[in-house]
Formats: sequence, structure tokens, C-alpha cells
Amino acid sequence: GAGVSQSPSNKVTEKGKDVELRCDPISGHTALYWYRQSLGQGLEFLIYFQGNSAPDKSGLPSDRFSAERTGGSVSTLTIQRTQQEDSAVYLCASSLALTNYEQYFGPGTRLTVT
Amino acid sequence: SQQGEEDPQALSIQEGENATMNCSYKTSINNLQWYRQNSGRGLVHLILIRSNEREKHSGRLRVTLDTSKKSSSLLITASRAADTASYFCATDPSGSARQLTFGSGTQLTVLP
Repeated sequence: GAGVSQSPSNKVTEKGKDVELRCDPISGHTALYWYRQSLGQGLEFLIYFQGNSAPDKSGLPSDRFSAERTGGSVSTLTIQRTQQEDSAVYLCASSLALTNYEQYFGPGTRLTVT
Repeated sequence: SQQGEEDPQALSIQEGENATMNCSYKTSINNLQWYRQNSGRGLVHLILIRSNEREKHSGRLRVTLDTSKKSSSLLITASRAADTASYFCATDPSGSARQLTFGSGTQLTVLP
């Protein structure tokens, strides 16, 4: 079946603009995760969803970042008033459940803030 | 600091040789997973080893886990140029945490 998809694949935006990143998880996967990866670095965890709820938002780097998930499926990550340090690849992953299951990653959205 | 730390940061070998990468972590875990990433985009899951397992095989991959030393190793046998990628270990910590914590990765280059 289809894997995790993300859109857009690339986004260039001006500093101060808002951006929305979308993730379509694998059908039936209840858990969904957002990560950020800066150039040459490991993954930085941002937020996870179990169904539509996000019990832990402490990974979001600032209050300019928010995420939601509707219908237990699609999720959007919104960055308001983007800054240059927000430039990174934003990766989404989903898994059957939260614990002891591998995560399936989407191809990522490369965000460049100019 | 990162829960999982890979060692070495970079590894360059000839095709046909074996590649060994190590991962150390700090807290108790439910499982440890290894992922591969090509060209800075999506990660691909390679193997998951649970805390009560000591060794696991998948094709040319062999993973070991030593919970007493809080360490894991990934061995790729008979490497190929196509194995060139970044390899990350990720820990699924036990307790209330529910997210994988990734290390900074090992960049493996397999020379033809």
C-alpha cells in the first residue's frame, strides 16, 4: 500500500511568513510523529499524536510551532512568523501504535526561510 | 544530550568489507531500532531489537544489544556501494516517554 506522504516536498518562504506542512500517514496507523532535521544533524523530535490527541508538546521549539491532526489521519504542522533558523527538513512518520513498533517515514519537506 | 550516540561519526570502507557501527544510550529502553537515511531525506527502518533480545539478524544485517552496557552494534556484512548512507540508532525509552530518540548518526561510505 501507499507509504507516508508529505507535501510540499520543498518550500521556500520569506522570513516572517507562515507555512503549513502536511503529512498523510499510512492508513490504519494510530501514531504520528513530526521531526526536524537540520543539515548534517540527527533528528529532533517535535511532537507525536496518538489518534487526534498530542499528549506531549514539549518538543516544539517555540510557540510559533503548532500541529494538529484531524480524523486520526492527516496532520499539519504550522510554523508562524518563520525565522531563518527554522530552515530544515521536516520529517513525518507513522506507526501502528506508540510502543514497540517501527516508524515509517515520509520523504520530508525541505523548508528554506530566506 | 542525545539519548543515542553513534560511533564512529563517519566510516569509509571498501566494497565487500564488513561495517560495524556502535550506539550507546543512557536510560532504560523498551527497544532499540536502526534506521538508514539516503541523501538527507526519509528514513528507512532496518531492524528493531527488543530489550529482552541480545542478537537479531536480517539479511546482511546483524544487530546486538547489551542492556547492561547500554550499547548496541550494527554489523553490515559484505558491504556494497548501495549501502552508502547515514545510519541512525533510535531508542524507545521505557516509562512514560512515547517517542523515539535518535542519535546523530554514522555516515557510511562504501567505495566500489
